[in-house]
Amino acid sequence: DIQMTQSPSSLSASVGDRVTITCRASQSISTYLNWYQQKPGKAPKLLISAASSLQSGVPSRFSGSGSGTDFTLTISSLQPEDFATYYCQQSYSTPWTFGQGTKVEIK
Amino acid sequence: EVQLVESGGGLVQPGGSLKLSCAASGFTFSASGMHWVRQASGKGLEWVGRIRSKPNNYATAYAASVKGRFTVSRDDSKNTAYLQMNSLKTEDTAVYYCTRVIRGVYYFDYWGQGTLVTVSS
Repeated sequence: DIQMTQSPSSLSASVGDRVTITCRASQSISTYLNWYQQKPGKAPKLLISAASSLQSGVPSRFSGSGSGTDFTLTISSLQPEDFATYYCQQSYSTPWTFGQGTKVEIK
Repeated sequence: EVQLVESGGGLVQPGGSLKLSCAASGFTFSASGMHWVRQASGKGLEWVGRIRSKPNNYATAYAASVKGRFTVSRDDSKNTAYLQMNSLKTEDTAVYYCTRVIRGVYYFDYWGQGTLVTVSS
């Protein structure tokens, strides 16, 4: 199975900050990498697919990059509604595995 | 509007069985792969299993942690996917989400609201 490792596991940031979350795969996954946002008590929401493709309706302050084994989710200017947990997920091979999550908290 | 609605969760004793349902609407269910993902309280997301569409021979796959105990199935005439869970363990306690994968893509674009399964004596 492909292991997905996110860093950091949590971070504290202020509104307006630039936030970067990294995700590393245990083997090359090309760009079969997706990012999800989850708020407490809610189902995950797809933000970015194929490493860098922003989903319809997702604010442009979110962006993704990377290929192979190293990927990044960037929030250019953190907004109050962005405080949540973020997960990366690979869809290169079954089982589709998730990172352990990065919790973004208010500083 | 795409909707996925899970049902069937509840309290079950270790060693028991439970069958979850996922009722779909607002899209061509028969053309979509259906997956189950779970999340224990305070923990991360864990992919559980999936069933592909008829053109893909209804192929199934499972996480190692549930293989041999859980079965994913579907009834395209009812637009419903199922997760049959047998020999349940306390570590299977989680919120179970169903989610879809449409043809040609490799991500979960819509999720249900989740149903809680508690395995406890």
